[in-house]
Amino acid sequence: DGGITQSPKYLFRKEGQNVTLSCEQNLNHDAMYWYRQDPGQGLRLIYYSQIVNDFQKGDIAEGYSVSREKKESFPLTVTSAQKNPTAFYLCASRRDAKNIQYFGAGTRLSVL
Amino acid sequence: SQQGEEDPQALSIQEGENATMNCSYKTSINNLQWYRQNSGRGLVHLILIRSNEREKHSGRLRVTLDTSKKSSSLLITASRAADTASYFCATDAYGYGNKLVFGAGTILRVKS
Repeated sequence: DGGITQSPKYLFRKEGQNVTLSCEQNLNHDAMYWYRQDPGQGLRLIYYSQIVNDFQKGDIAEGYSVSREKKESFPLTVTSAQKNPTAFYLCASRRDAKNIQYFGAGTRLSVL
Repeated sequence: SQQGEEDPQALSIQEGENATMNCSYKTSINNLQWYRQNSGRGLVHLILIRSNEREKHSGRLRVTLDTSKKSSSLLITASRAADTASYFCATDAYGYGNKLVFGAGTILRVKS
């Protein structure tokens, strides 16, 4: 069953803590993306990766970090430098040059 | 911000009625896409229209594109309660490097 798996579904962060959100895909897509969604707003791009071992900052990269060591995996770390991390985080992958994206079910991050 | 705008922000209709939502964007595009998001879930791709196309149909969906006005509309005909969701337009902007720019979305509620 092909798709994108995000875990955990819910995550709580304590003050000063780094947390990592997992994103795994078995679609054999080269490009992967991380978005942040706040209530009533559209998606904003955090980071993206077009190929293994390469990634670029999106529009709101400050306070976040990523790695892309394997084609299937694109984890996002929300660092303590991100002062307002409460949001819904979505991971996606891109199928082809048309830029149609496939999304995971999301991780909801809250601050304790 | 490159983010486009959608209107209305929210739309409430009766089952069987048609729903129309609009999207405006700011730059030249390769294509424009519409996605659907059920509450608390990831986005699902609905339809893509290329910059050289003016209208496209898929089942009960009809999308139009006016590049001179930098606007698009999504029409859902004979709506059903199951169509209740948020709908987002996303532009594959020319020269923006395989990234999508999402609008803020329209929340559609279909009452049965």
